[in-house]
Amino acid sequence: EVQLVETGGSLVQPGKSLKLTCATSGFTFSNAWMHWVRQSPEKQLEWVAQIKAKSNNYATYYAESVKGRFTISRDDSKSSVYLQMNSLKEEDTAIYYCTWRGPLGPYWGQGVMVTVSS
Amino acid sequence: DTVMTQSPASMSTSVGERVTVNCKASQSVGTVVAWFQQKPGQSPKRLIYLATNRHTGVPDRFTGSGFGRDFTLTISNVEAEDLAVYYCLQYGSIPYTFGAGTKLELK
Repeated sequence: EVQLVETGGSLVQPGKSLKLTCATSGFTFSNAWMHWVRQSPEKQLEWVAQIKAKSNNYATYYAESVKGRFTISRDDSKSSVYLQMNSLKEEDTAIYYCTWRGPLGPYWGQGVMVTVSS
Repeated sequence: DTVMTQSPASMSTSVGERVTVNCKASQSVGTVVAWFQQKPGQSPKRLIYLATNRHTGVPDRFTGSGFGRDFTLTISNVEAEDLAVYYCLQYGSIPYTFGAGTKLELK
């Protein structure tokens, strides 16, 4: 069974940093292209970042809204993907989901809440 | 970026009725479209992948159709448990993009 479990969400002040972790199981992580997606308090879903597999040189891609502030990374030995979020803004407040685009479409974790507020 | 225009934003229905939700892509996405159901306080639940394929365990009253730019999710014989928000997603190209959601409510 595919499982994705996000941790690391918190209340943080604007300008601060936070790192999210997604631990996975149930599929061959080392071959997987992994993503982060977020859902705002208004319920709008937004793709945030992607990291490809080692065979694709771990290429990364970002939404314009987070480029230069967020970094996606992975540890294949731990079947985990990470999202380092720096210079956080109030508009980054959202539920963050780890996703895997499997052969049967995207799988989602349960999500983790990030609140950016002073 | 591919914009996914989803309609309607909300709809009221009765148990037993048939409803359709539409998504129109700003450019062709082939069949790389998924549909999700989200209930309050829950993460999105997968319904349909590759436009027409139902995920394991999804009731057959949920049907996806479409190709290219126009996609539809049809729910036949709506049940009370189907009241939720439904989203489309194109995942063929980066950035992945979502529809704005359709809230299904009871009359």
